[in-house]
Amino acid sequence: EAQVTQNPRYLITVTGKKLTVTCSQNMNHEYMSWYRQDPGLGLRQIYYSMNVEVTDKGDVPEGYKVSRKEKRNFPLILESPSPNQTSLYFCASSSGLRATNEKLFFGSGTQLSVL
Amino acid sequence: GDSVTQMEGPVTLSEEAFLTINCTYTATGYPSLFWYVQYPGEGLQLLLKATKADDKGSNKGFEATYRKETTSFHLEKGSVQVSDSAVYFCALGLYSSASKIIFGSGTRLSIRP
Repeated sequence: EAQVTQNPRYLITVTGKKLTVTCSQNMNHEYMSWYRQDPGLGLRQIYYSMNVEVTDKGDVPEGYKVSRKEKRNFPLILESPSPNQTSLYFCASSSGLRATNEKLFFGSGTQLSVL
Repeated sequence: GDSVTQMEGPVTLSEEAFLTINCTYTATGYPSLFWYVQYPGEGLQLLLKATKADDKGSNKGFEATYRKETTSFHLEKGSVQVSDSAVYFCALGLYSSASKIIFGSGTRLSIRP
């Protein structure tokens, strides 16, 4: 089954404790992206990647890191989480470099709470 | 800058009512336009899309027409069901030096039986 898998689904942590949210897709997609969803703000793009070893900042990259060492994986790293990073996070992927014409496939989301 | 504006929710309707959710956009170039739907506890899924002016996207009884002259992509359905209760996101996709997909803030729709 074609899917984007994120883990964990829920995460509670404390300020400053490094964490990684994993994202994996089994569709051989070139384009992958991370979004955060906050009430009244919709989805805002954090980082995206158009291919292996190619990553770029989205609209809200501060406090986040990503890597794309393999095509299928695109982990999101919070080196020193802060309470303003409490949010619902989604990973998404799409085929082709012209991802803007193509459907995005979304993971089920990770609800992160930073205390 | 590039942006998407959609009507604020929540929108509450009775079953079988007519639905319109407004969406307008600002973009340089010629974006593709999308409607995504998010059911409770799930990720977003594509509902429909249109890639050029005057295209009509349709799926599951929902429709939206890409109107370049009014920079709009309003979502409509003739007769809503309880199962349509969800959050709906309008989005645009731009490709220049990079892929950029911009989402609106979402509209929560609740349908009463």
